[in-house]
Amino acid sequence: GENVEQHPSTLSVQEGDSAVIKCTYSDSASNYFPWYKQELGKGPQLIIDIRSNVGEKKDQRIAVTLNKTAKHFSLHITETQPEDSAVYFCAATSGGTSYGKLTFGQGTILTVHP
Amino acid sequence: SQTIHQWPATLVQPVGSPLSLECTVEGTSNPNLYWYRQAAGRGLQLLFYSVGIGQISSEVPQNLSASRPQDRQFILSSKKLLLSDSGFYLCAWSKGGETQYFGPGTRLLVL
Repeated sequence: GENVEQHPSTLSVQEGDSAVIKCTYSDSASNYFPWYKQELGKGPQLIIDIRSNVGEKKDQRIAVTLNKTAKHFSLHITETQPEDSAVYFCAATSGGTSYGKLTFGQGTILTVHP
Repeated sequence: SQTIHQWPATLVQPVGSPLSLECTVEGTSNPNLYWYRQAAGRGLQLLFYSVGIGQISSEVPQNLSASRPQDRQFILSSKKLLLSDSGFYLCAWSKGGETQYFGPGTRLLVL
């Protein structure tokens, strides 16, 4: 089955700096890659996603890149703000089933210092 | 727009007691529904998923069970809770088996 590795496990940056979180996946059939942000005590919220027919997607300060050959994808946050502090999860799915099983990375705790 | 609800928000239960967590989705029909458990704020483990009423699939053997009595209702149950059942339980829905949207979660503490 699919295996998703996420790095780093913790990331500390100064406000205004950029943050990059990287994930690798094992199943070459995976074709959908969402990123979630989870604040303390809340459910994960989808922040951006990318499909395998696209190499990069951007939404304001957030961007995701995908390298299908190397089987890795990354989340880029620019001009970080204290409210970006949260746990971020990457995930991957092959989409080959009717229920769309997502395999999640272990998460990255991002701390943005004012 | 679609909304997903979970209750209760928090629950403290003694070992050996029963459990019932409820999840409902509004604003969509025939969604895929999922139950996840998250331990120590990291890593989401898929417990059950359902593609329709009465259709439940289990991902891992455990002390829990799930049911889907109505199209937009998903219930997580246990007859006798164990200490190891403590955690943060998340319900999610998707349409067409791709993007999943999560509920606010239920924090369960078994003492």
